[in-house]
Amino acid sequence: QVQLVESGGGVVQPGRSLRLSCAASGFIFSNYGMHWVRQAPGKGLEWVATIWHDGSNTYYPDSLKGRITISRDNSRNTLYLQIYYLTPEDTGFYSCARDFGGGPAYDYWGQGTLVTVSS
Amino acid sequence: EIVMTQSPLSLSVTPGQTASISCSASESLLHSSGRTHLFWYVQKPGQSPQLLIYDVFSRFSGVPDRFTGSGSGTYFTLEIRRFEAEDVGIYFCMQGKHLWTFGQGTKVEI
Repeated sequence: QVQLVESGGGVVQPGRSLRLSCAASGFIFSNYGMHWVRQAPGKGLEWVATIWHDGSNTYYPDSLKGRITISRDNSRNTLYLQIYYLTPEDTGFYSCARDFGGGPAYDYWGQGTLVTVSS
Repeated sequence: EIVMTQSPLSLSVTPGQTASISCSASESLLHSSGRTHLFWYVQKPGQSPQLLIYDVFSRFSGVPDRFTGSGSGTYFTLEIRRFEAEDVGIYFCMQGKHLWTFGQGTKVEI
């Protein structure tokens, strides 16, 4: 079955960078666009980044452009999210999700990895 | 940014009864394609979110017909008929017309 497993979270000092990974299995990874979504403690869900199936296009919200890079390695069935210049407002659970294909949505999500930005 | 607003934010349901959750959008979700990109998810305790409904009323694979989505334009509703204990969770709507934004979530419990 479809599995998405995030890793790379932890406690990071403000101003540092972090790379998150999402290992995909149970489907042909290279056929699907992928997304990152996050949720800060006590806050709602926030879309973070999107990448096409072949990596040819990426999308970010204006609020995060310039500080975030989404990428993928289809040979390793792995999705990445690089976050630069972390601030406490970046604290939260980061989840990867597979593109639905039947519309602009996500059909399967990972459990998420917790990023805590603190000195 | 399209703002999504859900109500109520919490709901207590008796097993066998019907639960109803509303979601409104700050602008119409009708896309030029003719489709309306409104989606419903549930996040059950300890699990990742699961897609229930896409394009307002279409059930995702494996979703029982107890779950019904309706609405158009800016106002949408999710109904859960014959509520079961396994339906407990946080339900949220999401729009995909212009990028993606989410409702605050509705916590549904027994």
